[in-house]
Amino acid sequence: GAGVSQSPSNKVTEKGKDVELRCDPISGHTALYWYRQSLGQGLEFLIYFQGNSAPDKSGLPSDRFSAERTGGSVSTLTIQRTQQEDSAVYLCASSLASSYNEQFFGPGTRLTVL
Amino acid sequence: QKEVEQDPGPLSVPEGAIVSLNCTYSNSAFQYFMWYRQYSRKGPELLMYTYSSGNKEDGRFTAQVDKSSKYISLFIRDSQPSDSATYLCAMSSNNAGNMLTFGGGTRLMVKP
Repeated sequence: GAGVSQSPSNKVTEKGKDVELRCDPISGHTALYWYRQSLGQGLEFLIYFQGNSAPDKSGLPSDRFSAERTGGSVSTLTIQRTQQEDSAVYLCASSLASSYNEQFFGPGTRLTVL
Repeated sequence: QKEVEQDPGPLSVPEGAIVSLNCTYSNSAFQYFMWYRQYSRKGPELLMYTYSSGNKEDGRFTAQVDKSSKYISLFIRDSQPSDSATYLCAMSSNNAGNMLTFGGGTRLMVKP
């Protein structure tokens, strides 16, 4: 079946602009996660959604970062007033609630802030 | 010091060799241990998933967990050039939500 999809695959933006990254999880997966992967920092957790529960935002690095998940499916990660240090690959993953450690990742969005 | 340490490599081996990849960790609360494979410019792909200590085998891959030493390993038998990728270990605990904590990854190169 279809895996996790993310769009766009690449995004180049200018410092100070806002960007929106999209994630479409595997059908039937109620848990959705955002991670960031950058050189020297590895993979870092950003935010987690499970069903209708309040999201776990503990990994968001600043208030410029926000995410929402509409209808329990598609999620959008928004970065406002982008900075050069936001350049990274943003990865989305999803899992079944019954096996939350088995997370399946999408291909990522490569964000470059000039 | 990071919670999960992993030698970045690169690790270069000839085709057919047995590969050993390792991670150490400091958080004794970690109970679940995963190995992911990541090809260049792709997302991580789940390879192995183990709970607590012990061994798990799947084809050419064997995962080992030694909680007393806070040390996990992934062995790859009869390595192939197609195994060339970055291998990431990941861990979670019962009480840390559903966040995975990753090692930095080891880059493996299998030469024909």
